[in-house]
Amino acid sequence: DVKVTQSSRYLVKRTGEKVFLECVQDMDHENMFWYRQDPGLGLRLIYFSYDVKMKEKGDIPEGYSVSREKKERFSLILESASTNQTSMYLCASSFSRVDSGNTIYFGEGSWLTVV
Amino acid sequence: DQQVKQNSPSLSVQEGRISILNCDYTNSMFDYFLWYKKYPAEGPTFLISISSIKDKNEDGRFTVFLNKSAKHLSLHIVPSQPGDSAVYFCAASHSRLTFGEGTQLTVNP
Repeated sequence: DVKVTQSSRYLVKRTGEKVFLECVQDMDHENMFWYRQDPGLGLRLIYFSYDVKMKEKGDIPEGYSVSREKKERFSLILESASTNQTSMYLCASSFSRVDSGNTIYFGEGSWLTVV
Repeated sequence: DQQVKQNSPSLSVQEGRISILNCDYTNSMFDYFLWYKKYPAEGPTFLISISSIKDKNEDGRFTVFLNKSAKHLSLHIVPSQPGDSAVYFCAASHSRLTFGEGTQLTVNP
């Protein structure tokens, strides 16, 4: 079974803090993704990576950055957290590119509240 | 620009009846379509997919129909069970996955 692990399930941070969300997958997948889920907006892609040290902006990258130093680990960074970044964050991975119909596998999510 | 749209935020059906969840898209370049199911406090899990060259794909109680001319797909669940109660996301693929807003399905015993 594919395992995508998000280290923090629930976090509460203050406005302006730097926040790290960590994600590890154990299936040697090339591709990793960060989404956020908000009511009425579905899942929106923040950043993705098709290889180590490679990153690409998704649909809503503003206010975020990512790091992929190792194949199995993909970190999402909020440089200066703001209240509008309160959300559920979902990490995902896939064996090959999703444009060939391959599904992606999600972690359990990290609930972030910025106060 | 919402390229994948699920117009019904919620749907309620009786156990044993059919559940039909709908999804519309605008981008004719999408070549795969997928449905994900999400329980509260869990990540989405893959349910079923369909290639744009097909019009139907079936897996047990779940069937996905694709109408390319109408840019519409639907997920049928027959018979519906209380354990099917979850949020269902439609997604479309072309270089990346684009998700709809989700539909909360409630199956009443």
